[in-house]
Amino acid sequence: NAGVTQTPKFRVLKTGQSMTLLCAQDMNHEYMYWYRQDPGMGLRLIHYSVGEGTTAKGEVPDGYNVSRLKKQNFLLGLESAAPSQTSVYFCASSYSRGSYNQPQHFGDGTRLSIL
Amino acid sequence: GQQLNQSPQSMFIQEGEDVSMNCTSSSIFNTWLWYKQEPGEGPVLLIALYKAGELTSNGRLTAQFGITRKDSFLNISASIPSDVGIYFCAGLLERGTGTASKLTFGTGTRLQVTL
Repeated sequence: NAGVTQTPKFRVLKTGQSMTLLCAQDMNHEYMYWYRQDPGMGLRLIHYSVGEGTTAKGEVPDGYNVSRLKKQNFLLGLESAAPSQTSVYFCASSYSRGSYNQPQHFGDGTRLSIL
Repeated sequence: GQQLNQSPQSMFIQEGEDVSMNCTSSSIFNTWLWYKQEPGEGPVLLIALYKAGELTSNGRLTAQFGITRKDSFLNISASIPSDVGIYFCAGLLERGTGTASKLTFGTGTRLQVTL
């Protein structure tokens, strides 16, 4: 079972370059999320999506854009990369079921360095 | 953005010892989750708690949802080398269909187990 798959796993960019991180899930989850993880801190939510065609801002959305054109994919874009965006990026997904939000399942992360 | 206070930040224990870590918040949550993260991987869900006062076990792991809904703890009994990793608590306030589970993460407890 693939679960949540992130590509690429590693990337080095120069300041000002753009790139897109791809997240794919094969669990038919409605909700998808993008987080960043920095040393000494927990995961912080960048953007999330409650369904195909919908996106919303999380805690730290500035400098990022997202798209959810297909239910199974959630893309995170950096239009003009900055050194402050050097981080490990995690994608997650979860069901919507009944009155309880279902726990999120995470990918293995994308390590992004901005020089 | 809000982050949960998780303690201790790190622990060095001997194999066979029991471990206890906790998470506190100034806000109440409806759901508490505990994740484990190993190097180079994403967080993996260990235990989910949905009701104040709930005590839930998963093998050698036991977690409790505090009565005040502002705290949770995780215990690991008879630790083994494969318990090494970073343990994160996460709290969720929203609940209900159509509401994305926007988690607030703790800063993590790094666990090292020596033989």
